[in-house]
Amino acid sequence: GENVEQHPSTLSVQEGDSAVIKCTYSDSASNYFPWYKQELGKRPQLIIDIRSNVGEKKDQRIAVTLNKTAKHFSLHITETQPEDSAVYFCAAVRGSARQLTFGSGTQLTVLP
Amino acid sequence: DTAVSQTPKYLVTQMGNDKSIKCEQNLGHDTMYWYKQDSKKFLKIMFSYNNKELIINETVPNRFSPKSPDKAHLNLHINSLELGDSAVYFCASSPSGEGGQPQHFGDGTRLSIL
Repeated sequence: GENVEQHPSTLSVQEGDSAVIKCTYSDSASNYFPWYKQELGKRPQLIIDIRSNVGEKKDQRIAVTLNKTAKHFSLHITETQPEDSAVYFCAAVRGSARQLTFGSGTQLTVLP
Repeated sequence: DTAVSQTPKYLVTQMGNDKSIKCEQNLGHDTMYWYKQDSKKFLKIMFSYNNKELIINETVPNRFSPKSPDKAHLNLHINSLELGDSAVYFCASSPSGEGGQPQHFGDGTRLSIL
């Protein structure tokens, strides 16, 4: 089965700085990689996703990059704001399977 | 107009009891899921149904039984509750389509076993 590793487990940055979270996956057949943001006591919410035929995708301050050869993908948040503080999860989906395998999460804290 | 709704939001009960959690989605999605999030925030798939048929059944004790009366509903029944069942349970849904599809989560049910 798929195994997704996520680093770091905690990340503190100053407001305005950039934050980078990295994930690696084990199954080369995985082809869909979403990122979810979960605020305290709330549900996970999709913030950006990328498919294996694309190397990079950007949405305002958020970008995701994918390196299929190395089997890793990363989330980049620029100009961080206190409201970006949350737990971020990466995930991978293999082929026609609809099963999301999640990373272990990164607690991001943006210090004002 | 909540897209994926779960009830109840909180469930406090004693060991050995049987309880159910209900989930409904109004997004017209074909696939629904149950996830368990433990105290360390780790999210793990439990079950997945596509058009009322079970397609994923992870290594979950058979005390947990999902039921899908139609493709808009996926309920979770738990028998003989144990302390280790304390967690937040999330329902989610996604559309059909090639490859992976975005999953939309409900607000979760926080289950506490006394």
